[in-house]
Amino acid sequence: EAQVTQNPRYLITVTGKKLTVTCSQNMNHEYMSWYRQDPGLGLRQIYYSMNVEVTDKGDVPEGYKVSRKEKRNFPLILESPSPNQTSLYFCASSLYRYNTEAFFGQGTRLTVV
Amino acid sequence: DAKTTQPTSMDCAEGRAANLPCNHSTISGNEYVYWYRQIHSQGPQYIIHGLKNNETNEMASLIITEDRKSSTLILPHATLRDTAVYYCIPRVKETSGSRLTFGEGTQLTVNP
Repeated sequence: EAQVTQNPRYLITVTGKKLTVTCSQNMNHEYMSWYRQDPGLGLRQIYYSMNVEVTDKGDVPEGYKVSRKEKRNFPLILESPSPNQTSLYFCASSLYRYNTEAFFGQGTRLTVV
Repeated sequence: DAKTTQPTSMDCAEGRAANLPCNHSTISGNEYVYWYRQIHSQGPQYIIHGLKNNETNEMASLIITEDRKSSTLILPHATLRDTAVYYCIPRVKETSGSRLTFGEGTQLTVNP
């Protein structure tokens, strides 16, 4: 089954403790991205990657890092999480760089205390 | 990207057609209209997209006006599982950085 898998689904952590949210897709998609969703602000793109070793900032990249060492994986790294990064995070992938028929993961609800 | 206007909320009876409008009067000639939906806190799900012709797939139909300034997503026989927020997203298909700009969308509630 074609899917985008994120882990963990729920995470509560403390300020400053580094964490990684994993994202994996099994569709051989080139394009992957991360979004965060906050009440009243909608979905905003954090980072995206057009292929292996090619990443770029989205609209709200501050406080986040990403890497794309393999085509299928696109982890989101919070080196020093802060409470304002408490949010619902989604990973997405699509077949081509220009193709916006995106597939989304089920989301990771992160709480930073 | 063109700005969109969608009703904040709509209700529909189960089994009836749900017609969700979207105004995109500033849409440019090379922008497609994409529709996604998000069932409560789940990842958004692609529904359909079109440029100027009406489109239909297994999930829905998309009607785009001749002047392309508005469109309507039609769910022909709404079920309770169609309760979700529906987003209308004009987007240039051939461009780099396939960021999807989600607005507020329309909360569709399908009632038994």
